[in-house]
Amino acid sequence: DGGITQSPKYLFRKEGQNVTLSCEQNLNHDAMYWYRQDPGQGLRLIYYSQIVNDFQKGDIAEGYSVSREKKESFPLTVTSAQKNPTAFYLCASSIGPRFMNTEAFFGQGTRLTVV
Amino acid sequence: AQTVTQSQPEMSVQEAETVTLSCTYDTSESNYYLFWYKQPPSRQMILVIRQEAYKQQNATENRFSVNFQKAAKSFSLKISDSQLGDTAMYFCAFMYPHHQGAQKLVFGQGTRLTINP
Repeated sequence: DGGITQSPKYLFRKEGQNVTLSCEQNLNHDAMYWYRQDPGQGLRLIYYSQIVNDFQKGDIAEGYSVSREKKESFPLTVTSAQKNPTAFYLCASSIGPRFMNTEAFFGQGTRLTVV
Repeated sequence: AQTVTQSQPEMSVQEAETVTLSCTYDTSESNYYLFWYKQPPSRQMILVIRQEAYKQQNATENRFSVNFQKAAKSFSLKISDSQLGDTAMYFCAFMYPHHQGAQKLVFGQGTRLTINP
């Protein structure tokens, strides 16, 4: 079945450590997105990518980094520079600019907790 | 900046009633797309309905319909004959071309909808 897989579902990090969240899709989508969800603040865009080896900062990119070495994969690293990383993280993908009317498909999310 | 605003943090209605969720957006773009997503307690995001800005006709999907007012930059969602399974967070979203044609997708703050038996 085609879809988006995020792993792990739950992740615990010690303060000062970097941690990487995985996002893989087999939908042959060009566009991929990372969002952070906090209570009462909706989904805030961290990074997005439309093509391999290219990505753009979203609205809250500070303290995060991404890579897009393969079309299928868009991992997100939460660095020690992110002061409040505890949140629910969602990855999404869409067909991309080739087709303008493109809905986004979402993974199941990763709950990151700093301990 | 392109923004999406949902002014109703929470709403509650009785089963079978009709409810309307509000959404406004701010943009200078002429070509864009609007969406409503549902997030039930499982936290899986589910597309409810979409609207192309160039289409004047309001989109409809079974019990879900939108009232798209382009000049007013308003995009409300109406749920008719509400059901217990409609209980969820609802997010309004806006997709527009940005940075060399890349499509940027931004969301509102969400409205928590509760359907009471």
